[in-house]
Amino acid sequence: AQSVTQLGSHVSVSEGALVLLRCNYSSSVPPYLFWYVQYPNQGLQLLLKYTSAATLVKGINGFEAEFKKSETSFHLTKPSAHMSDAAEYFCAVKLPAGTALIFGKGTTLSVSS
Amino acid sequence: KAGVTQTPRYLIKTRGQQVTLSCSPISGHRSVSWYQQTPGQGLQFLFEYFSETQRNKGNFPGRFSGRQFSNSRSEMNVSTLELGDSALYLCASSPDRGVTDTQYFGPGTRLTVL
Repeated sequence: AQSVTQLGSHVSVSEGALVLLRCNYSSSVPPYLFWYVQYPNQGLQLLLKYTSAATLVKGINGFEAEFKKSETSFHLTKPSAHMSDAAEYFCAVKLPAGTALIFGKGTTLSVSS
Repeated sequence: KAGVTQTPRYLIKTRGQQVTLSCSPISGHRSVSWYQQTPGQGLQFLFEYFSETQRNKGNFPGRFSGRQFSNSRSEMNVSTLELGDSALYLCASSPDRGVTDTQYFGPGTRLTVL
């Protein structure tokens, strides 16, 4: 069965520092991958998605992620953290024939000034 | 376009009661999915509806059910509530059932079971 592992339930960075949130997937077939962000008391907002068109995917708010098949990874990065980036981030996967999103456990990002 | 709306936003029930949650998808979206979010289990897929038919179902007991109307609006029902059903219930809509279709989430309904 496919699954998603997010390494690190909590990541803390300083404002202006690099943000790196890790996501590894396990799937016997190439999956489709998504990163969502959730702010307190809100639903999930799509940051970016990988649909096999390009391995480096750029999303909203300066985030990007690179699909690495050899490492089964889809890590999320942002060159310079902003206070407003503090939120919970979820990596999710779908199989080619599937419609349901399978989510990782989430990573809470804290940004300090 | 208006986003996905869910009503009510907050709900308090007692064990044994039943509850109905409502979701209005983005205009033109035909697929509606439901997810349960809890601190312990994270985000879990409940079911998906398309053209008024359940197309996919997660691993939840039969107490959890849903339906979709001809205007794509959806409801989910939980009967005989248990304490463990306390969660944030999220609805997501997408234009179609394509695997690359983005699912757009509503703000959720927070259900507390006492």
